[in-house]
Amino acid sequence: AQSVTQLDSQVPVFEEAPVELRCNYSSSVSVYLFWYVQYPNQGLQLLLKYLSGSTLVESINGFEAEFNKSQTSFHLRKPSVHISDTAEYFCAVNSGNTPLVFGKGTRLSVIA
Amino acid sequence: NAGVMQNPRHLVRRRGQEARLRCSPMKGHSHVYWYRQLPEEGLKFMVYLQKENIIDESGMPKERFSAEFPKEGPSILRIQQVVRGDSAAYFCASSPRGASGRSEQYFGPGTRLTVT
Repeated sequence: AQSVTQLDSQVPVFEEAPVELRCNYSSSVSVYLFWYVQYPNQGLQLLLKYLSGSTLVESINGFEAEFNKSQTSFHLRKPSVHISDTAEYFCAVNSGNTPLVFGKGTRLSVIA
Repeated sequence: NAGVMQNPRHLVRRRGQEARLRCSPMKGHSHVYWYRQLPEEGLKFMVYLQKENIIDESGMPKERFSAEFPKEGPSILRIQQVVRGDSAAYFCASSPRGASGRSEQYFGPGTRLTVT
């Protein structure tokens, strides 16, 4: 069985400061990894994904995540956050034909 | 190209009533997934359907819950005799291909069910 652990339920950070949202997973097989963002009262939007190839993946709005197989991690980072980044972020994993397994989410609050 | 549509966005039901949640996948998508999000929890997979077939219902409660995706029309998640513990946000996602990790799932805005 697969599982995802997001170590921080809430992360407050000042505007323009860097941020890292942590995600660890467990799986006995090769995995695909995803970060989704959920703005208040909205559905989930895919932020970025790792399928294969380069272990560093980037989104169009400045986020990046690095797949670390030895540490079974897929932490999300941004060097300088904006107020508009305030949202809930979910890490998810699947493999082959299995459904997505989500972490409990991390609520990022950007403070002006 | 419209995204995944869900209705209603908010649904209030009294205990014992039935709740019907609808999901229209993105155009061209024939695979639908239902997830439930409880307060302070991540999304939990419930069921995966293709047109007229249930592929994986390992996350569905054994009683009162059912899902369908008919040849024509939206996918329906039905909850009979709702209880307060059913209060949650229910999200639908669709993809153009199967549940392989390479097939990105697109999520709808969700239906927030409140059982009073």
